[in-house]
Amino acid sequence: EVQLVESGGGLVQPGGSLRLSCAASGFTFSNYWMTWVRQAPGKGLEWVASLKQDGNEKHYVGSVEGRFTISGDNAKNSLLLQMNSLSADDTAVYYCARGLTPGTFDIWGLGTVVAVSS
Amino acid sequence: EIVLTQSPATLSLSPGERATLSCRASQTISNLLAWYQQKPGQAPRLLIYDASNRATGFPARFSGSGSGTDFTLTISSLEPEDFAVYYCQHRYNWPLTFGGGTKVEIK
Repeated sequence: EVQLVESGGGLVQPGGSLRLSCAASGFTFSNYWMTWVRQAPGKGLEWVASLKQDGNEKHYVGSVEGRFTISGDNAKNSLLLQMNSLSADDTAVYYCARGLTPGTFDIWGLGTVVAVSS
Repeated sequence: EIVLTQSPATLSLSPGERATLSCRASQTISNLLAWYQQKPGQAPRLLIYDASNRATGFPARFSGSGSGTDFTLTISSLEPEDFAVYYCQHRYNWPLTFGGGTKVEIK
């Protein structure tokens, strides 16, 4: 079964850091673009970052540029999101998603909750 | 950044009725538009990609159309399980963006 499972979310103070992981199974991870999408409480979806299969191309939404880093570990079939300098605006459910194409997401995880608060 | 504007924000309909959802892009995006369905407490699901291609698992009552700047998602006859929020999203360039969503609710 094709599956994505996120982990690493939690409560963090403003200015703090968190690292999210996404474990992939049921498909060849190294063949796909992978993406993080987030959803603030009661709000819509926001694309956060995408990573090309070979790791040599990364894209970020402007609001996280310089603070978040997306990376992948093909040996472990996992996607990571290192989040630094967190603020309340980063509070959201973070979803990991597989790219049917670089920008179309056909498989989603259940999400992990990140709450930034003092 | 390409802005996607979805209308209406809320659509109140009864089962069996036809639903027509709109997504307008702030510039041309060819046919590089997807639609997602999201139910409360669940992750989004890919519904339509590249404007008119239905994703695996969705029945033929769902259809997408459009190109350039104007796109439409049509549900020909609403079933109880179709009441949800629908988002459009482009992949024309970076940054990728989503529309604000249309909630299809039971009237």
